[in-house]
Amino acid sequence: DSGVTQTPKHLITATGQRVTLRCSPRSGDLSVYWYQQSLDQGLQFLIQYYNGEERAKGNILERFSAQQFPDLHSELNLSSLELGDSALYFCASSVVDRGPGNTIYFGEGSWLTVV
Amino acid sequence: AQSVTQLGSHVSVSEGALVLLRCNYSSSVPPYLFWYVQYPNQGLQLLLKYTSAATLVKGINGFEAEFKKSETSFHLTKPSAHMSDAAEYFCAVSGNAGGTSYGKLTFGQGTILTVHP
Repeated sequence: DSGVTQTPKHLITATGQRVTLRCSPRSGDLSVYWYQQSLDQGLQFLIQYYNGEERAKGNILERFSAQQFPDLHSELNLSSLELGDSALYFCASSVVDRGPGNTIYFGEGSWLTVV
Repeated sequence: AQSVTQLGSHVSVSEGALVLLRCNYSSSVPPYLFWYVQYPNQGLQLLLKYTSAATLVKGINGFEAEFKKSETSFHLTKPSAHMSDAAEYFCAVSGNAGGTSYGKLTFGQGTILTVHP
């Protein structure tokens, strides 16, 4: 158990709908990351937050958004869902946002299936 | 920009044989390098990491990796494979110089390790 908690673990929804994935980082970790894992794209970095502020942005679609709240938990919002959004979404956390101490720990992931 | 290439999407070994999973990186700054393992239907677990200290890094479950700057490689090895090592392994790189990359990880495509009895 990495200490990173993600909910829900599984989610099935229809095209065009909107979902929210939730993540609680490890105790004491200030940085949160979101990754998408799919068969065709592999593991893709989406976005990083540090203590509530956006730090880095990757291949995140405009239909997707995220935020980190004052209690450090994070949410990833996916809207106007398409079949191709079906994937495993990982949340990860680390104490700092960069440097040698930046060991990133991953949650179990949220399986999203769009039908 | 940083990237990672894992040579071989599938590797098959016999139980007790040497495990060698290959990873080459590209980075414009001295990199931090990681190996993660993903067991079926589970998340990513950190095996080991290199952060510019010793070039030979020992990790969990008997795995180790050697950083070779001249070869831009960070191959993962284990002297004797166990059935429980069957999983997908990911090599990843992050930069150590801030900028826009911060600490995010860039992953390779993964290598599925199969262990035969």
